[in-house]
Amino acid sequence: NAGVMQNPRHLVRRRGQEARLRCSPMKGHSHVYWYRQLPEEGLKFMVYLQKENIIDESGMPKERFSAEFPKEGPSILRIQQVVRGDSAAYFCASSRLGGLASVEQYFGPGTRLTVT
Amino acid sequence: QQQVKQSPQSLIVQKGGISIINCAYENTAFDYFPWYQQFPGKGPALLIAIRPDVSEKKEGRFTISFNKSAKQFSLHIMDSQPGDSATYFCAASEGTGMRFGAGTRLTVKP
Repeated sequence: NAGVMQNPRHLVRRRGQEARLRCSPMKGHSHVYWYRQLPEEGLKFMVYLQKENIIDESGMPKERFSAEFPKEGPSILRIQQVVRGDSAAYFCASSRLGGLASVEQYFGPGTRLTVT
Repeated sequence: QQQVKQSPQSLIVQKGGISIINCAYENTAFDYFPWYQQFPGKGPALLIAIRPDVSEKKEGRFTISFNKSAKQFSLHIMDSQPGDSATYFCAASEGTGMRFGAGTRLTVKP
């Protein structure tokens, strides 16, 4: 009965390096959402993906950030040339259904990225 | 701009009391309104959710009240317990990503 899995749980990167965050959705879920949470703030929607497709990336910064959800394997959120402002907790959520229907999303434990 | 506004920012309640957290939204396309509970260092956990065709939903000690005409909804926690101390987020969705409120830090004093 595994929930949403994220790894690593903690990631430290120096400015200019790349960060790769992984998310494995719950069993039977094919919809993945990424959110960013700055300290003492709410979660901000970044991107919504189905297998091999980006459905909504309206919350993604235009530069340095990308996301994928391949046919096989976990979803990946990639941040290139990280800056200190990228330091945050990044959460992944998954749902069984999606598309135009608003449905329950279940969250993983998050990856805490620290940029030094 | 923040699409979902949540208040209060923090709330202190005595054990056994009622905790009330309020949220307001503007986008009438939102059709799903969940509440999440988050403990420090953990991911948000879905607590209870409502759709706009219903004015109230109750699950155990947790109740959502929904006012479609006012575009407001609230979470009531009855008989609040110290274990309820956490940050609570309201959210709204129109089919893709959730739009979250800024959160309410609830402290229940024993």
